[in-house]
Amino acid sequence: QQQVKQSPQSLIVQKGGISIINCAYENTAFDYFPWYQQFPGKGPALLIAIRPDVSEKKEGRFTISFNKSAKQFSLHIMDSQPGDSATYFCAARGFQSGYALNFGKGTSLLVTP
Amino acid sequence: NAGVTQTPKFQVLKTGQSMTLQCAQDMNHNSMYWYRQDPGMGLRLIYYSASEGTTDKGEVPNGYNVSRLNKREFSLRLESAAPSQTSVYFCASSDQGNQPQHFGDGTRLSIL
Repeated sequence: QQQVKQSPQSLIVQKGGISIINCAYENTAFDYFPWYQQFPGKGPALLIAIRPDVSEKKEGRFTISFNKSAKQFSLHIMDSQPGDSATYFCAARGFQSGYALNFGKGTSLLVTP
Repeated sequence: NAGVTQTPKFQVLKTGQSMTLQCAQDMNHNSMYWYRQDPGMGLRLIYYSASEGTTDKGEVPNGYNVSRLNKREFSLRLESAAPSQTSVYFCASSDQGNQPQHFGDGTRLSIL
């Protein structure tokens, strides 16, 4: 059972545009919501993360928006660049299973020149 | 600083063969994890080790065993490989359970 649902599955954005990826969760015990970026042949790398006591976190061109009541969170990539082309995973974690991450299925982002 | 190192990077097995995937971290982390990644499925937890000397099952443990050899190393063993175990396997570690997880670059395993 997928505990974190992610959409869209794939996304094409022009250079300079805004990329938006959405995730939803059901387990209210989750208290940590990271986004990972993965390039082909590499492992996932932590991009940005948020805890539910804040509604937004920004790091450079990357912003997480978090809606606790709706149990949804999203990643916004401003001024998208071709180098941002990668697969993005949202995840959620509580104390269960040794704080293991529950991942969404991933979004393949292509930023065209 | 190597971080999380996985060996081998690639492997092809025949059905029924056994194999051990190795993972080592040099960050003095307490918690370690094994995930598998399949197309369109995200990453799913196979086993985890919250601390040295402990291991527990995750979401998809069938067909696998693990050993937390010491604080640095956490291995994953396939006793009798099946084609359904064709996947990319990732090892991760974190300082304490509630700290960010760092991933290795994976082992790409094909079972014929």
